Amino acid sequence: DVVMTQSPLSLSVTPGEPASISCRSSQSLLYSNGYNYLDWYLQKPGQSPQLLIYLGSNRASGVPDRFSGSGSGTDFTLKISRVEPEDVGVYYCMQCLHSPRTFGGGTKVEIK
Amino acid sequence: QVQLEESGGGVVQPGRSLRLSCSASGFTFSSHGMNWVRQAPGKGLEWVAQIWFDGSNKYYADSVKGRFTISRDNSKDTLYLQMNSLRDEDTAVYYCVREGWMRDHYTGMDVWGQGTTVTVSS
Repeated sequence: DVVMTQSPLSLSVTPGEPASISCRSSQSLLYSNGYNYLDWYLQKPGQSPQLLIYLGSNRASGVPDRFSGSGSGTDFTLKISRVEPEDVGVYYCMQCLHSPRTFGGGTKVEIK
Repeated sequence: QVQLEESGGGVVQPGRSLRLSCSASGFTFSSHGMNWVRQAPGKGLEWVAQIWFDGSNKYYADSVKGRFTISRDNSKDTLYLQMNSLRDEDTAVYYCVREGWMRDHYTGMDVWGQGTTVTVSS
C-alpha cells in the first residue's frame, strides 16, 4: 500500500500568519494524464471532513483562496497564506491513484 | 441541497453482522462513484471501500476485504455497506462519501455524510 507521511504532526499558528503542511507519498501520484492524484481534506472539530484541494492543486468549490496546494510526484504541500480562526482542525492528505486509497496521519492546526 | 445521510450504526458483538445504509439526495446518485471512509475513536481517517457509479467495480481496503461488501441501489439512491465477521477494530464512525466528477475529471471526495457510529463490543 502507498504510505502517506504528513509533517508536522501539529502546528500552532498566529492568526494572519502563513502555515504549511507537507505530505509525502511512498510512490508517485503522477498519472499519465499529467494530474497528481492527491487530495487535501480538513476535519474541523466535531464535524465531518471536507474537501479542500483535489488533484494536487485545485481548490474545491467554496474553499477560500488563502488555501493552495502544490507539488508533484511524491512531494506535496498545502499552504494557508493567512490563517484564520476557522481554519483550526486536522488536515489530511489522501492519495487516490493507487488502490487502496490511503490517508496521511493528519496534521492538527491550532490557533495561538 | 446535496446531502448524504447514513443509518444503521449501533452496538454489535464481535463476529456478528451489520448493514449500513446511506441515502443520497439533491444530486444524480447514479452518476457518481461512492465511498465509505471510517474513523476509529481518536484516530485518523481510513478509506474502506469504493463502488463505481454503475456498481460495475468495487474496491476494498485490505483490512475489510472478504468481510465487507459495498453495494448500491440506484433506483433508491442508496448506498450500502454489509459488514460481516465484525471485529473490535472495526469500531468507528463510518462516513458515506461522494466521488466528485466534472467533465470526465475526478474532483475529489466532495460530499460527506455526518457519519454513523459502529461499536463492536461484547
